[in-house]
Amino acid sequence: EDKVVQSPLSLVVHEGDTVTLNCSYEVTNFRSLLWYKQEKKAPTFLFMLTSSGIEKKSGRLSSILDKKELFSILNITATQTGDSAVYLCAASLSGNTPLVFGKGTRLSVIA
Amino acid sequence: NAGVMQNPRHLVRRRGQEARLRCSPMKGHSHVYWYRQLPEEGLKFMVYLQKENIIDESGMPKERFSAEFPKEGPSILRIQQVVRGDSAAYFCASSQSSNYGYTFGSGTRLTVV
Repeated sequence: EDKVVQSPLSLVVHEGDTVTLNCSYEVTNFRSLLWYKQEKKAPTFLFMLTSSGIEKKSGRLSSILDKKELFSILNITATQTGDSAVYLCAASLSGNTPLVFGKGTRLSVIA
Repeated sequence: NAGVMQNPRHLVRRRGQEARLRCSPMKGHSHVYWYRQLPEEGLKFMVYLQKENIIDESGMPKERFSAEFPKEGPSILRIQQVVRGDSAAYFCASSQSSNYGYTFGSGTRLTVV
């Protein structure tokens, strides 16, 4: 069975801290890995990673994929209260197969 | 571009009633996916549709649940004879093709009382 596991499940940090969120996957026919941020409503797209070792960056957020060890990390530097959300990781598979999501990491950033 | 539109945002049903959830995909997107999310859980896949076709319904319970995506109009997720365990947030997503990332709607929160 295809599986995506995220850790930790929840995390509380202070503003200004740096956090690393983990995502490991065990799937057949892996194509790419995606990160989403979910606040109160719709998950919003952050990154899609297809190649190993190439960091993607967007402001204070960055992510990298390791296809040999089957994991990805999402880093957030200088966290702000607006970063508080659930961060979802999903594996995209080849063919007409829907995304497989992990349970998410709930990040709380306190002032 | 209005994005993926879901309605209603909130739906309250008594046990035994029917729930109809609607999803209009983004313009130009012909692939629609329905996911269910329970508190403290990730998104669980239910069904994947293209216009007039169900591509994968492996995540949808065989009884009481059905989905369609007609040639004209929104995709509908229908739950008959709802039970308390159906209470959840139901998200719809759309994409241009199965190779692209998804755009999600804001979800419908179903509460069964």
